[in-house]
Amino acid sequence: SDVLTQPPSVSVSPGQTARISCSGDALTKQYGHWYQQRPGQAPILVIYKDNARPSGIPERFSGSSSGSVIMLTISGVQAEDEADYYCQSADTTGTFVLFGGGTRLTAL
Amino acid sequence: QEQLVESGGGLVKPGGSLRLSCVASGFIISDYYMSWIRQAPGKGLEWLSYISPSGGFTNHADSVRERFTISRDSAKNSLFLEMRSLRAEDTALYYCARGRRDDYKPNDYWGQGTLVTVS
Repeated sequence: SDVLTQPPSVSVSPGQTARISCSGDALTKQYGHWYQQRPGQAPILVIYKDNARPSGIPERFSGSSSGSVIMLTISGVQAEDEADYYCQSADTTGTFVLFGGGTRLTAL
Repeated sequence: QEQLVESGGGLVKPGGSLRLSCVASGFIISDYYMSWIRQAPGKGLEWLSYISPSGGFTNHADSVRERFTISRDSAKNSLFLEMRSLRAEDTALYYCARGRRDDYKPNDYWGQGTLVTVS
């Protein structure tokens, strides 16, 4: 079935690199996108089409794709990057929207 | 400055109905795909529905297909979600979000959400 799977949590020390994965069969056919959601706030698009960065998003956010896995990488994690991160794609037919379950990033 | 503002949420009894609204400013909603996405308390994001720029095509998640209907009023630059036969599990913060001109994803602008409580 078309499901996107993310790790529930990732922890890194400030200044280190955080990597958050998202896997699913649909990703072999569809682009993946990433959203950041801070507590009490609406989601913000941080990466689209696997590796493109919207204007205004810091360069430390990057994305990559390989087969059925996309990856969000945050280089030099800052305290303000603590948030929930969600991947998004479509099912293999391109008809329905899929969201991953979300990953909570903690900067220890 | 693109902005989306949702309204219409509130407390409703199981089996009841509600109509959510989303007013857009800074852009024309009929130029873009528009979506509704919800988030139950403490849970993740769940896509509900989208409407095409022409308004001629809509799609809904299986979980709400028989009960929710997306629509829009171009004259009011507004998006709507009609919800009926509401259940406790529909309790969530409901967001409207903008897609692309040629695709329903990704969603580059989101409102702050309107809270629906079914109890």
